[in-house]
Amino acid sequence: GAVVSQHPSRVICKSGTSVKIECRSLDFQATTMFWYRQFPKQSLMLMATSNEGSKATYEQGVEKDKFLINHASLTLSTLTVTSAHPEDSSFYICSASEGGRRQPQHFGDGTRLSIL
Amino acid sequence: AQSVSQHNHHVILSEAASLELGCNYSYGGTVNLFWYVQYPGQHLQLLLKYFSGDPLVKGIKGFEAEFIKSKFSFNLRKPSVQWSDTAEYFCAVRGQTGANNLFFGTGTRLTVIP
Repeated sequence: GAVVSQHPSRVICKSGTSVKIECRSLDFQATTMFWYRQFPKQSLMLMATSNEGSKATYEQGVEKDKFLINHASLTLSTLTVTSAHPEDSSFYICSASEGGRRQPQHFGDGTRLSIL
Repeated sequence: AQSVSQHNHHVILSEAASLELGCNYSYGGTVNLFWYVQYPGQHLQLLLKYFSGDPLVKGIKGFEAEFIKSKFSFNLRKPSVQWSDTAEYFCAVRGQTGANNLFFGTGTRLTVIP
């Protein structure tokens, strides 16, 4: 089946650091990738949608300068949390789709980000 | 605004018991509906989906869900649960047209006692 690899699985860093999270589709070409954020006991909230070679589309309330998304190839998207602060601590999950509405989203294992 | 409500936060059942997890949604238009499962330490996996046609949808591992349009519901069912069904279950909705975004419920944790 389709596999999405997300790295790192966990990161702990100091306030003010920038953190990059990678999302790779291992055995398919991901035309579209999604980035979600999940707070404890809450649902996954979509942050942005990225199509390969295009700028990401951010959801309302998500700062595009804070959460930089790059989708430069059909197998890799990155999310960079710039100048991270404790309130950015959360669980970040990516998913990837081959494109088209009939294609399912395949999810990564998520990244637990803790900012001290 | 779009939203998905899962009524049960944590359900505890004995093996062989029947399962029904509630999901109600609010969306201004025709929808596609999904149930995802997340086993401990694993990523989200698609259990089943509804796009159109027969409102009773069968998924993997003996799960099924019924779309009741008049009730805006898409409840997940399984006649006899197993210990291996212990997981977190998420209901999600998407508009049938437009953006391919999924809106998720808060999830229901299912614990099956052997």
